Amino acid sequence: GQNIDQPTEMTATEGAIVQINCTYQTSGFNGLFWYQQHAGEAPTFLSYNVLDGLEEKGRFSSFLSRSKGYSYLLLKELQMKDSASYLCAGRSNYQLIWGAGTKLIIKP
Amino acid sequence: DVKVTQSSRYLVKRTGEKVFLECVQDMDHENMFWYRQDPGLGLRLIYFSYDVKMKEKGDIPEGYSVSREKKERFSLILESASTNQTSMYLCASSPSGAVGNQPQHFGDGTRLSIL
Repeated sequence: GQNIDQPTEMTATEGAIVQINCTYQTSGFNGLFWYQQHAGEAPTFLSYNVLDGLEEKGRFSSFLSRSKGYSYLLLKELQMKDSASYLCAGRSNYQLIWGAGTKLIIKP
Repeated sequence: DVKVTQSSRYLVKRTGEKVFLECVQDMDHENMFWYRQDPGLGLRLIYFSYDVKMKEKGDIPEGYSVSREKKERFSLILESASTNQTSMYLCASSPSGAVGNQPQHFGDGTRLSIL
């Protein structure tokens, strides 16, 4: 079957670094998205990885390993406003398979 | 910036009612989507549309229908609301092309309660 797994909740400290993992088992995989969703708001696009490797966008980076069925989102210099849920979604055969989201709690 | 607007943030309806959720996007996107979001589950696709009057079933279409008479507007209809349809409903749009080829832009969601 097709499946996307990510941790339910993580806690980190302001100013620190956190890595949110996402593993997938899908057939015909051809890309992985990361979205950020603040409570009560719309998910907003963060990154899209098609090829293996790390892509950096300011404080946020996303990594993909297709051979391992694994991705992570790396957040540096954490700020309180980064408290949100982070959703990963794998593209497979012209559909998106969504993970349940990781709720990230930032403590001062 | 793309703006996807959902008509209501909160809605309370009764079992058996016919419920309409409206979504409008202002960026001339061809693709539009309706999802529901429940705690502990990933977004589940109900229906999507890739053009005016065109629709495709998603993963959980039972109990729902959709209408796309104009490019900018995509409506979700609960034919006879039931309590298990209490959920957060998210509308999204994306430019033309295969689904998942480009990022989707989401509305703020409608939290629907069926009593």
